[in-house]
Amino acid sequence: DTGVSQDPRHKITKRGQNVTFRCDPISEHNRLYWYRQTLGQGPEFLTYFQNEAQLEKSRLLSDRFSAERPKGSFSTLEIQRTEQGDSAMYLCASSKREAYEQYFGPGTRLTVT
Amino acid sequence: AQKVTQAQTEISVVEKEDVTLDCVYETRDTTYYLFWYKQPPSGELVFLIRRNSFDEQNEISGRYSWNFQKSTSSFNFTITASQVVDSAVYFCALSEAVPGANNLFFGTGTRLTVIP
Repeated sequence: DTGVSQDPRHKITKRGQNVTFRCDPISEHNRLYWYRQTLGQGPEFLTYFQNEAQLEKSRLLSDRFSAERPKGSFSTLEIQRTEQGDSAMYLCASSKREAYEQYFGPGTRLTVT
Repeated sequence: AQKVTQAQTEISVVEKEDVTLDCVYETRDTTYYLFWYKQPPSGELVFLIRRNSFDEQNEISGRYSWNFQKSTSSFNFTITASQVVDSAVYFCALSEAVPGANNLFFGTGTRLTVIP
């Protein structure tokens, strides 16, 4: 099995710019999750898709954040008008519908200067 | 509300020692899942185990063992004969067992350093 992949691995941007991250889940997994992890903390749930439907969003996901999974395969997470507080590791995970363990990608580390 | 507490922020052991990582959880759900993940220096979270709330049998996998005690809301993880490659941050996590709502709630992690 190819694991979950994420692109880019690192992103440095200036405050106010928009950024977009991509996640490719494990091919037979129809659930896809986005989490955010800041230094010294555990990952925090942002949003989740089952196929192309976005079924749950955390209160952490402000209006500046949007996620899509247009064909039920890869997903994108966009952050508009980035702020320094958005600096974090953004993790993507996927799972099979009938199982609950989630498999994580390597993450995209965002630094907002 | 769901909460996972990992009170041990950092632990250091000498290689070959046994070490136990503590995890205490809170949930109002009667059915839930508990997990342990490993995050090595490379950063990628690695799934280690999932445990159902209705199955309190302890589990052993090689040098790893898990002790689930519903009465104390604890799900502790023991590494026997630790090795340098075990050095990582270990996260305990909790998930509701409700279809369509199984996002993970993570603790803050325990950083384990195994000294050669």
